[in-house]
Amino acid sequence: DIQMTQSPSTLSASVGDRVTITCRASQSPSSWLAWYQQKPGKAPKFLIYNTSSLESGVPSRFSGSGSGTEFTLTINSLQPDDFATYHCQHYNSYSWTFGQGTKVEIK
Amino acid sequence: EVQLVESGGGLVQPGGSLRLSCTASGFTSSNYWMHWVRQAPGKGLVWVSHVNGDGSSTTYPDSVKGRFIISRDKAKNTLFLQMNSLRAEDTAVYFCVRGSRGGFDIWGQGTMVTVSS
Repeated sequence: DIQMTQSPSTLSASVGDRVTITCRASQSPSSWLAWYQQKPGKAPKFLIYNTSSLESGVPSRFSGSGSGTEFTLTINSLQPDDFATYHCQHYNSYSWTFGQGTKVEIK
Repeated sequence: EVQLVESGGGLVQPGGSLRLSCTASGFTSSNYWMHWVRQAPGKGLVWVSHVNGDGSSTTYPDSVKGRFIISRDKAKNTLFLQMNSLRAEDTAVYFCVRGSRGGFDIWGQGTMVTVSS
């Protein structure tokens, strides 16, 4: 099974910063890589699919990129509403795997 | 409004069983793959089951295979998760989710399952 490893586990940043979160796969996956935002006590929110496609309604400051085994989520000009935990997720052949999450906290 | 609402969580003893339900509204759930995803307290997300549109195909990770059964009632637009032989490590919030584009685009609010004596 493919394992997904996110880094860093925690990231301290300020409003207006550019933030990058990395997700590495243990093997080369397909392009079915998604990102989610989760706030405490809430369900995750679907942000990005197919590595770089933005879900409808998600602000354009969020972007995804990557290929092979390394993928990134970038948030340009961090906003107060963006402080949350972010999860990557991969799909391949009837198996769905999440990374362990990255908490973006206020510096 | 597209919505998923879970129910059925609670406290159960180790070795016991519990059945979760998830009612979909605002869309026809049989047009989508549906899943359950769980999150233990303070931990990450873990996918625990998948069912295809007509309910004829299901998939599970090894951690729950043989203990959990996912099913759906097309007429009632409802998804189920029958959980048997429950263990302490199954303690988590269980989310009902809609599959889309390789990910999960609609999530329920979650229902808490606690396995403890």
